[in-house]
Amino acid sequence: DTVLTQSPALAVSPGERVTISCRASESVSTGMHWYQQKPGQQPKLLIYGASNLESGVPARFSGSGSGTDFTLTIDPVEADDTATYFCQQSWNDPYTFGAGTKLELK
Amino acid sequence: EVQLVESGGGLVQPGRSLKLSCVASGFTFSNYGMNWIRQAPGKGLEWVAYISSGSSYIYYAETVKGRFTISRDNAKNTLYLQMTSLRSEDTALYYCARHRAGYNYWGQGVMVTVSS
Repeated sequence: DTVLTQSPALAVSPGERVTISCRASESVSTGMHWYQQKPGQQPKLLIYGASNLESGVPARFSGSGSGTDFTLTIDPVEADDTATYFCQQSWNDPYTFGAGTKLELK
Repeated sequence: EVQLVESGGGLVQPGRSLKLSCVASGFTFSNYGMNWIRQAPGKGLEWVAYISSGSSYIYYAETVKGRFTISRDNAKNTLYLQMTSLRSEDTALYYCARHRAGYNYWGQGVMVTVSS
């Protein structure tokens, strides 16, 4: 299975720029997607196809990368962005998720 | 407004069965593939099963293959997950999610607890 590796946690101040990384154990082309999950809520799709902004998601969120290295960027970070962010690949079967990066605001 | 509402969860003993349902509204259910995805308490997300719009293609995670069955009734706008031979490691919040590039709509989830 394709393993997606994410840093476990990050802490940033409001107004800063933050990048959350996801590295795949094998190429997933641009079949990478990003989700935000707040406590007690279901995941919400932010970015699909590595760099496409899902409808209704603020333009502060952006995605980049291809192959094995991907990045979710939030610029600027707002207090409401406190959440866990998951990457997920849909290029290789079975589709897999990263373990998540918990973003905390200072 | 797209809505996915799961039901059917609960506390069940190891080895027993349970059937989850997910009722869809706000979109043409029969046009979309659907998935079940689970999340163990305090853990990450695990894809469980996928069914295509017309039920022609069905896939399972290795961890549930042979024990779980995904199905759908397009006339009732409902997705199902029949779970048998349940194990403690199946304890999780089960979400149904609409399939696209990424899972773009998720239900609120239904909790399944497998314990004696």
